[in-house]
Amino acid sequence: EVQLVESGGGLVQSGQSLRLSCAASGFTFSSYAMSWVRQAPGKGLEWVSGISAAGDSVFDADSAKGRFTISRDNSLDTLYLQMNGLRVEDTAIYYCTKNIFSLPAGRGGVFDSWGQGTLVTVSS
Amino acid sequence: SYDLTQPPSVSVSPGQTASITCSADQLENKYVSWYQQRTGQSPILVIYEDIIRPSGIPDRFSGSNSGETATLTITGTQPMDEAEYFCQVWKSNSVVFGGGTKLTVL
Repeated sequence: EVQLVESGGGLVQSGQSLRLSCAASGFTFSSYAMSWVRQAPGKGLEWVSGISAAGDSVFDADSAKGRFTISRDNSLDTLYLQMNGLRVEDTAIYYCTKNIFSLPAGRGGVFDSWGQGTLVTVSS
Repeated sequence: SYDLTQPPSVSVSPGQTASITCSADQLENKYVSWYQQRTGQSPILVIYEDIIRPSGIPDRFSGSNSGETATLTITGTQPMDEAEYFCQVWKSNSVVFGGGTKLTVL
């Protein structure tokens, strides 16, 4: 059974940083792309960033470019999201997701497993 | 930007058929996925590549995509299907989600 467990969320002030982690199990982590998707309170889903299985290709939403960095450690089966320069509008539940293929793009831009999410709250 | 338009809400009686639409320019040229999110839970994938149902998803869920509209159809809707549904595509090196449709079963 696929399990994705996020951690690292919390309350921070505007301009500060956070690093989210996602521990994966139940599948061959190094064979699949992974992504982060967020959901602001009471709002819809918003894709943040995706990374290929090997970690050599990254795709970022415009809202993440220059501030957020996705990475992975295939030896630890762990996905990360480094978030710098946080803004109030970044307040959301951040979900770790497993992509359906090894690339997070094109036909691979599909999320077949989701974690329970970690809440990031940015105050002004 | 590329916008996926969904109706905010759809209502259906138990046992009836629910149809949730997702509209965008030339949508038929893209693969559409659908996610179900029950209140307080994480989303789950119910349809991908327009028509494919992942393992474990009941066969009352089906999808189609033609012209500018993709449709998620739930045949014989059950109370447990009450949830928000989001469509999604890959476009221009980015993932795009629709705004979501709240399905009420009453």
